[in-house]
Amino acid sequence: NAGVTQTPKFQVLKTGQSMTLQCAQDMNHNSMYWYRQDPGMGLRLIYYSASEGTTDKGEVPNGYNVSRLNKREFSLRLESAAPSQTSVYFCASTDSPLEQYFGPGTRLTVT
Amino acid sequence: AQSVTQLDSHVSVSEGTPVLLRCNYSSSYSPSLFWYVQHPNKGLQLLLKYTSAATLVKGINGFEAEFKKSETSFHLTKPSAHMSDAAEYFCVVSSFGPASKLTFGTGTRLQVTL
Repeated sequence: NAGVTQTPKFQVLKTGQSMTLQCAQDMNHNSMYWYRQDPGMGLRLIYYSASEGTTDKGEVPNGYNVSRLNKREFSLRLESAAPSQTSVYFCASTDSPLEQYFGPGTRLTVT
Repeated sequence: AQSVTQLDSHVSVSEGTPVLLRCNYSSSYSPSLFWYVQHPNKGLQLLLKYTSAATLVKGINGFEAEFKKSETSFHLTKPSAHMSDAAEYFCVVSSFGPASKLTFGTGTRLQVTL
C-alpha cells in the first residue's frame, strides 16, 4: 500500500503560469481533500470531494479548481498562479470521520 | 461552526521533563478531536483521537490527551520528553456530515533540549 501519493514534490512557477497538482490514494476511500499549509496558520481546506463525482469548496477556494477524476484521483489546478499561492499543499483521504490520511505534500513557490 | 485554539505557538522543554501542549475547542455539538504531529519536512501523522468514548485518550509514542467538556479543553501531555518528539503539533476538530472536514489549530512547535 502506497497510501496517499502526491506529485510533484517541489515546483517553482512564475506568476501567471498554470499547473496541476496530482493526488492518488490506493485505500479505496470515498472522500478526498486538498489543504494548504502556511506558517503560523495551520492547514486550511481548499476543496474536498465527499465521493466520486462531487466536489465542494472549503475555506480558501479562490484561485483553485479541482477534478475528481475517479475514486482514486483528485487533482488541484492553479489556472494563473500568484505569489500568494506559495505554500505547501497536502492531499488527504478518508472513509471515516475518525482519521484522514495525508500525502507527503507538494512545496510550491510562485515568483 | 467549530474551531480550535492552540494557546502556545512554541513550547520548549528539556529532555526527560513533562510535555504539555494546550488546546481549547469550540463546537455546538459533541466534537471529534484529534492531535496530529508533523516532523520537519514531513507529512502529518495522527497521534490520537477522541470520539466521545473514554475522556482520557492514549496515543502513539507515549502521548495522551484528556477531553474536559467543562473547560472545553483537549490538552496533549507526555510524562517524559524525548529528543525525537521535537516537531509541530496540531489540534484538530472534525465536522459531521458526508465528508468529515477538519479544522486545524495554528500549531505548536515543540522544542526539546538536552
